[in-house]
Amino acid sequence: AQTVTQSQPEMSVQEAETVTLSCTYDTSESDYYLFWYKQPPSRQMILVIRQEAYKQQNATENRFSVNFQKAAKSFSLKISDSQLGDAAMYFCAYRSPMMDSNYQLIWGAGTKLIIKP
Amino acid sequence: GAVVSQHPSRVICKSGTSVKIECRSLDFQATTMFWYRQFPKQSLMLMATSNEGSKATYEQGVEKDKFLINHASLTLSTLTVTSAHPEDSSFYICSASPLTPDTQYFGPGTRLTVL
Repeated sequence: AQTVTQSQPEMSVQEAETVTLSCTYDTSESDYYLFWYKQPPSRQMILVIRQEAYKQQNATENRFSVNFQKAAKSFSLKISDSQLGDAAMYFCAYRSPMMDSNYQLIWGAGTKLIIKP
Repeated sequence: GAVVSQHPSRVICKSGTSVKIECRSLDFQATTMFWYRQFPKQSLMLMATSNEGSKATYEQGVEKDKFLINHASLTLSTLTVTSAHPEDSSFYICSASPLTPDTQYFGPGTRLTVL
């Protein structure tokens, strides 16, 4: 079974600085999807970035980028120029491409990101 | 695009009553919707997966007679908590996947408090 591990329960960063959140996963599948979701205090889960495993190029979305290391099964999220609005819980998630998985997401435990003004 | 609404956002009910939570995909059709429960400071716990027009698939340990799920259309799924008890108090979140199901989009959640 697939698992997702976020080893950093909490991270803090100075506003305008760069921070990297770690995520590792375990799977025997060769094709899959990986996601980072953000959950601010409002508790609305927001998609930050998505990566397809068959794509070697790292996904980027404005200030957010990933370092996808397929062989190492690592999927870290880099946030550049951190802003106060980035303060949230960040969850890493894995999705199998198999229909019999019902396309469920396997979730990490989350990392709380604190932005220091 | 990819907006999911959830209603109500907050509900308080007496023990023994039933509560219905609606989840709607506003700008896309969702063949699959998911219902989660989230405890404070924890990750999401999947309760069930529903596909339009068929019975929901419940995760192990989730009582299907207590948490009734109906996915009657490609834009609407409902979760009914029957005979609610204080231990059912929690934050419930739905998500929906478009016809090409590579991404789940989430509703804003419902805070249920059972007195």
